[in-house]
Amino acid sequence: GDSVTQMEGPVTLSEEAFLTINCTYTATGYPSLFWYVQYPGEGLQLLLKATKADDKGSNKGFEATYRKETTSFHLEKGSVQVSDSAVYFCALTIDTGANSKLTFGKGITLSVRP
Amino acid sequence: GAGVSQSPSNKVTEKGKDVELRCDPISGHTALYWYRQRLGQGLEFLIYFQGNSAPDKSGLPSDRFSAERTGESVSTLTIQRTQQEDSAVYLCASSVHVGGDYEQYFGPGTRLTVT
Repeated sequence: GDSVTQMEGPVTLSEEAFLTINCTYTATGYPSLFWYVQYPGEGLQLLLKATKADDKGSNKGFEATYRKETTSFHLEKGSVQVSDSAVYFCALTIDTGANSKLTFGKGITLSVRP
Repeated sequence: GAGVSQSPSNKVTEKGKDVELRCDPISGHTALYWYRQRLGQGLEFLIYFQGNSAPDKSGLPSDRFSAERTGESVSTLTIQRTQQEDSAVYLCASSVHVGGDYEQYFGPGTRLTVT
């Protein structure tokens, strides 16, 4: 079946450090890929997405590129802020035309120190 | 506009009792999903509704779990004879599946604790 694997956490960084969170996937079809973020005390929200190979999703300074050859969708940010402290989930969906259920990784907690 | 809402936000119940969790999707969203997040785990898909039909129930872990939806509105997830392993955060999401836009908008979740 479909699955998403994220690097083990938690991750603690100093402000302005470079961030990479690894995500790899296995899928029976051609997936769309997502990063969701859950800030403390808030609901899950979409951070960025990419729907085909070599697409780059970006938002709030975060980027991730859909790499079909390595089945990866690593999340990067050049300079993290304290406000980026949150739980980050990588996810995929195989769009069958209607059902877009998401398969999630386990999530990783990012803490950014001032 | 209003987002996805869920109630209750927290529920503590005794083992063996039945519970009902409610989800109010964003108005006009035809698709509705239930997920569960157990401690230290990612979100697991439970069930998908398109309108008031459920073409994919493959994630329901046992026959103690059921769900229904009224039209393109509120959905209720029912867990009968709760067990301790049912303790989790139950999340609902809705989306409008038009023209390839399938972003899911999540509610705040219901934290269920079975004692």
